[in-house]
Amino acid sequence: GENVEQHPSTLSVQEGDSAVIKCTYSDSASNYFPWYKQELGKRPQLIIDIRSNVGEKKDQRIAVTLNKTAKHFSLHITETQPEDSAVYFCAARYWEYGNKLVFGAGTILRVKS
Amino acid sequence: SQTIHQWPATLVQPVGSPLSLECTVEGTSNPNLYWYRQAAGRGLQLLFYSVGIGQISSEVPQNLSASRPQDRQFILSSKKLLLSDSGFYLCAWSVLGGQNNQPQHFGDGTRLSIL
Repeated sequence: GENVEQHPSTLSVQEGDSAVIKCTYSDSASNYFPWYKQELGKRPQLIIDIRSNVGEKKDQRIAVTLNKTAKHFSLHITETQPEDSAVYFCAARYWEYGNKLVFGAGTILRVKS
Repeated sequence: SQTIHQWPATLVQPVGSPLSLECTVEGTSNPNLYWYRQAAGRGLQLLFYSVGIGQISSEVPQNLSASRPQDRQFILSSKKLLLSDSGFYLCAWSVLGGQNNQPQHFGDGTRLSIL
């Protein structure tokens, strides 16, 4: 069935280092992959997304890569800052009624200054 | 621009009491609408989604129900709350998809505590 696995569950990095979060999905028909950032007690906010017709997308310090053959996609944050500390969720859209997203379990990112 | 409103922001209810959470979207028509629940420190669980007025799909069997009485209004209800219903409830919307993959945008959520 539909499944998205996300790793690691927690990640601690030093300020200025890079952070990488990886997700794998099970449905080869998935064609849209958003990433959300959720700060404590707040709503998840979309930070970047990628569609299956491209392999990489970048927005300033954030990039996402997609490998459709291997069915995995990754979030890369460079030059991390303390305000990057949050929970990050990946998701995959399943090609069916309702434009449903299936979310990964989340990664707690801590940036130490 | 589109906005999504959820209320109340926080709610404390006794076990066995009813529930009604409301979500409205402005600035768009015919959105897809979603209800999620997030337990403390956990991920997002899709509860219901709707592609149109009166059209509700349930993802998880439970004592909750959803209704969409108007195009941009989505309501989450329960007749008798359980302790396990505690959590952070998030409403989300997306453009009616078809082949256009569009992100979901979340409301600010309702933090529900059952005593």
